[in-house]
Amino acid sequence: GAGVSQSPSNKVTEKGKDVELRCDPISGHTALYWYRQSLGQGLEFLIYFQGNSAPDKSGLPSDRFSAERTGGSVSTLTIQRTQQEDSAVYLCASSYGTGGGYTFGSGTRLTVV
Amino acid sequence: QKEVEQNSGPLSVPEGAIASLNCTYSDRVSQSFFWYRQYSGKSPELIMSIYSNGDKEDGRFTAQLNKASQYVSLLIRDSQPSDSATYLCAVGRGGGGNKLTFGTGTQLKVEL
Repeated sequence: GAGVSQSPSNKVTEKGKDVELRCDPISGHTALYWYRQSLGQGLEFLIYFQGNSAPDKSGLPSDRFSAERTGGSVSTLTIQRTQQEDSAVYLCASSYGTGGGYTFGSGTRLTVV
Repeated sequence: QKEVEQNSGPLSVPEGAIASLNCTYSDRVSQSFFWYRQYSGKSPELIMSIYSNGDKEDGRFTAQLNKASQYVSLLIRDSQPSDSATYLCAVGRGGGGNKLTFGTGTQLKVEL
């Protein structure tokens, strides 16, 4: 696609429920990243996929968070048993190879009530 | 010490002036440096990248890098009200991976 597409754009969920966030990167981009941004805070790295290599999961805050990337393209970030502190904007980005800057999607605003 | 540090601002400059935004980083092996602009409620947008010491110019924007001092800056000439946004500095190690570490951003306000 022309840009990085994320869905849904907004998600309100009850505490304890599971949520899935989707990211469709720019066609041909081999690297895909997930970050989150809490209100007034910087971007926090979550996970990074590069081609067929094992993902870098070093930023996932707990075992409630997981992500997969199917066929080297679309990625899904899953948060199980959501907590209020999970409320944030979840941003997906992609890049062609490594070393260059990212293109971000418009984000998913997650609110846990 | 934060890995990437920026003054949170707000930095206020009059229209037409030069805005100077600064960033320091702690990881000496960093190889790639980026500036992103983020409007309120929007996602970050890449505006500049720099990899070598010195200056890199693109239109009204100039990025400056000094690896010895672990310092990177962004100059915006002829500042416009539309430049009012938060500017994020991001640093990467490059090489086989490109996980970027972001600063918390500097809020810029360009006043009429």
